[in-house]
Amino acid sequence: GAGVSQSPSNKVTEKGKDVELRCDPISGHTALYWYRQSLGQGLEFLIYFQGNSAPDKSGLPSDRFSAERTGGSVSTLTIQRTQQEDSAVYLCASSLWGTGMGYNEQFFGPGTRLTVL
Amino acid sequence: RKEVEQDPGPFNVPEGATVAFNCTYSNSASQSFFWYRQDCRKEPKLLMSVYSSGNEDGRFTAQLNRASQYISLLIRDSKLSDSATYLCVVTQAGTALIFGKGTTLSVSS
Repeated sequence: GAGVSQSPSNKVTEKGKDVELRCDPISGHTALYWYRQSLGQGLEFLIYFQGNSAPDKSGLPSDRFSAERTGGSVSTLTIQRTQQEDSAVYLCASSLWGTGMGYNEQFFGPGTRLTVL
Repeated sequence: RKEVEQDPGPFNVPEGATVAFNCTYSNSASQSFFWYRQDCRKEPKLLMSVYSSGNEDGRFTAQLNRASQYISLLIRDSKLSDSATYLCVVTQAGTALIFGKGTTLSVSS
């Protein structure tokens, strides 16, 4: 079946502009995660959605970052007033259930490479 | 201190070699442990879970020592196709995955 998809695959924007990144999780997966990976760095957790529960936003680096998940499926990560340090690959992952319920493989999308000039 | 620490490498080994990667984690409440593999400019993919009893999948063996908060991955008979970055990953109940920065392996002929 279809895996996690993300769009766009690449995004170049100017400093100060807003961007929206989209994630389509695997159908039926209740949990959805956003991470980012800066050059030479590990994956950094941003936000986690589990079913209808309030999202875990503890990883968002600033209030310029927000995300929503509509209808328990598609998610959009929005970065307002982008800065050069926001340049990174933004990865979305989904899993069948949340991390509190035992073994739980996360499947990653191909990522969106964001470049802020 | 980083929550998950790995030797970044790179590890450069010839085909057929045995190579071991180590990882330490700081939070004793961590409950699940994994090794992910990430190829250049690709997304991470699960390689294997790690259990206290140790587990093996073909040429790959993973081990967890909860007392020392230490995780290992052993690759035997390295292949060219094993060249990648190996990410040590831990998680606690109700949280997302916490990744190490990864260890880069380069296998040459």
